[in-house]
Amino acid sequence: DTGVSQDPRHKITKRGQNVTFRCDPISEHNRLYWYRQTLGQGPEFLTYFQNEAQLEKSRLLSDRFSAERPKGSFSTLEIQRTEQGDSAMYLCASSYRDSGSGANVLTFGAGSRLTVL
Amino acid sequence: DQQVKQNSPSLSVQEGRISILNCDYTNSMFDYFLWYKKYPAEGPTFLISISSIKDKNEDGRFTVFLNKSAKHLSLHIVPSQPGDSAVYFCAASARQQGGKLIFGQGTELSVKP
Repeated sequence: DTGVSQDPRHKITKRGQNVTFRCDPISEHNRLYWYRQTLGQGPEFLTYFQNEAQLEKSRLLSDRFSAERPKGSFSTLEIQRTEQGDSAMYLCASSYRDSGSGANVLTFGAGSRLTVL
Repeated sequence: DQQVKQNSPSLSVQEGRISILNCDYTNSMFDYFLWYKKYPAEGPTFLISISSIKDKNEDGRFTVFLNKSAKHLSLHIVPSQPGDSAVYFCAASARQQGGKLIFGQGTELSVKP
């Protein structure tokens, strides 16, 4: 397994267009998370899935955003009618439990950078 | 509200010396604390974690200290190496919140040869 894969790595789009990002998590991880990161800030939680069930959505996830994980494997994040404020790095992660501390450790992909012109 | 705060945006240290990165939190429900490192154009990479029932965890050159009464944690890197230059994020999670991580704003560490 090569880790968490995200595609595309970079997307440039015009305001008002729709974009979709894909995430392939580590196969044995059943939780999948989406985060957004802007310059100078830490990653901000958007939503997460346990298998195919979407268990929590942040208030940052407006109704223009939708995430799916149809078969409990890969996930997609779609942004409709993009705005310039959507420009950010979108990070996907899957998680495992650390055997030492017991913490839920997120393994991140390299991210998909969105630029909205 | 910023539940996890890293008040120093940057830190510069000489190679071989100790780097100390600090983090404060406000939510007493947090069970676990983690540190991540991030290089440009890559996702954050997990470094080390600590449970709220511990006050110290060590892994090689990295040690995390937790002071629950002060709601403060720190990451010590000894000795610092130029390859440690990156942005470091502190993160916290609460078991009742599905294990999602709440991140601080990050501290950019520069280790000079």
